[in-house]
Amino acid sequence: DIQMTQSPSSLSASVGDRVTITCQASQDISNYLNWYQQKPGKAPKLLIYDASNLETGVPSRFSGSGSGTDFTFTISSLQPEDIATYYCQQYDNLPPTFGQGTKLEIK
Amino acid sequence: EVQLVESGGGLVQPGGSLRLSCAASGFTFSSYWMSWVRQAPGKGLEWVANIKQDGSEKYYVDSVKGRFTISRDNAKNSLYLQMNSLRAEDTAVYYCARDKVVGWADVWGQGTTVTVSS
Repeated sequence: DIQMTQSPSSLSASVGDRVTITCQASQDISNYLNWYQQKPGKAPKLLIYDASNLETGVPSRFSGSGSGTDFTFTISSLQPEDIATYYCQQYDNLPPTFGQGTKLEIK
Repeated sequence: EVQLVESGGGLVQPGGSLRLSCAASGFTFSSYWMSWVRQAPGKGLEWVANIKQDGSEKYYVDSVKGRFTISRDNAKNSLYLQMNSLRAEDTAVYYCARDKVVGWADVWGQGTTVTVSS
C-alpha cells in the first residue's frame, strides 16, 4: 500500500495568515492526489483534486501543488471558518490511502 | 440535489454482524463506482471497500477481507456493506461515498456509527 505522510499533524495560526500543509507519498503517484476538509462531526469535503484543481464552489484562497511524491496544500489567508482537519489522499493505486490529517486551529 | 444517506449502524457484540445501507439520490447511481470509508473515534480516514458500477469488481482493505462484503442494487439506488465477525477495531463512523474516479470520493454521506462492544 502507498503510505501518505502529512505534516504537520497540528497547526495553530492567526486569521489572515498563510497556511501550508505538506504531504509526501511513499512512491510516485503522479498527480493522483486529493485534499479534503473535515469539520467536527461532519463528513469530509473535497477541496482539491488532481493535486491542483479547485473543486467547484471552493473558495480561491485554497490551492494545491505538486506531483510525483511531494505535494503542498495552501490557504492564502486563513478565515475562521477554515478551522478543520485536512487530509491528503492518493488514488493512484488501490487501496486509496489518506494522510494522518492536519488539525488546524486559530491562534 | 445529490445525496447519500447511510443507515443500519448500531451497537453489536464482538463476533456479531451488521448490514449498512446507503440510499443514493440526485444522480445516476448506476454510472458510478461507490465506496465505503470509515473513521474510528478520534482517528483519521480509512478506505474500506469499493464496487464497480455493475458490481462485477469489488476491492477491500486487507483488514476486512473475508469479513465484509460490499454490494449494490442499482434498481433501488442502494449500496450495502455486510459486516460479519465484527471486532472492537471495526468501531467507527462509516461513510458511503460516490467515486468520481475509482478511489476518488467526491460526494459523501453523513455517516452511520458502528460500535462493537460487549
